[in-house]
Amino acid sequence: GAVVSQHPSWVICKSGTSVKIECRSLDFQATTMFWYRQFPKQSLMLMATSNEGSKATYEQGVEKDKFLINHASLTLSTLTVTSAHPEDSSFYICSVPGDTDTQYFGPGTRLTVL
Amino acid sequence: GESVGLHLPTLSVQEGDNSIINCAYSNSASDYFIWYKQESGKGPQFIIDIRSNMDKRQGQRVTVLLNKTVKHLSLQIAATQPGDSAVYFCAEKSGGYNKLIFGAGTRLAVHP
Repeated sequence: GAVVSQHPSWVICKSGTSVKIECRSLDFQATTMFWYRQFPKQSLMLMATSNEGSKATYEQGVEKDKFLINHASLTLSTLTVTSAHPEDSSFYICSVPGDTDTQYFGPGTRLTVL
Repeated sequence: GESVGLHLPTLSVQEGDNSIINCAYSNSASDYFIWYKQESGKGPQFIIDIRSNMDKRQGQRVTVLLNKTVKHLSLQIAATQPGDSAVYFCAEKSGGYNKLIFGAGTRLAVHP
């Protein structure tokens, strides 16, 4: 399956600052990537679909101006959390579709907003 | 909306026993299902998948069973080991959509 990396693995920031998270597909070119958010002891919730060369598709209730997604190339998508607040603290995970309908996930990024 | 749910939030088993993790889904149009394993602080790891034209699929020490009549999915782990301790998620996908819908998750605790 696809090998996916994320950077950073964890980040702590002050309230009001912006944080960028990178998702890279290391061995697979991906025209689509997915961004999920996971709160403690909860399931994964899809935030948005990142599309190479076009705008991301956001799920209902996800603020596109707060969670900026840029799919710069076939191997890189970035998620920027703008004006972060403590309630944005969460585990952010990206995924890359495989050859079939499977999705392969990155290791996740733990965001803590003070 | 459509959802995928689990019957048991926590499952405790003895090392060496077989484990069965269950999942109920509500979207009869779903045609692809996946089981993921997630260890603490890590991303989900693919375990096994199954399409709706099958009712059973086996992997190494794992078997997935699909009962479309009652919209039920299960993951069987043979000879459960301490390294199997994790949270297990089922996920479903409907034809024509590339989004996965995740269930609530079941924590598997393996005791020596």
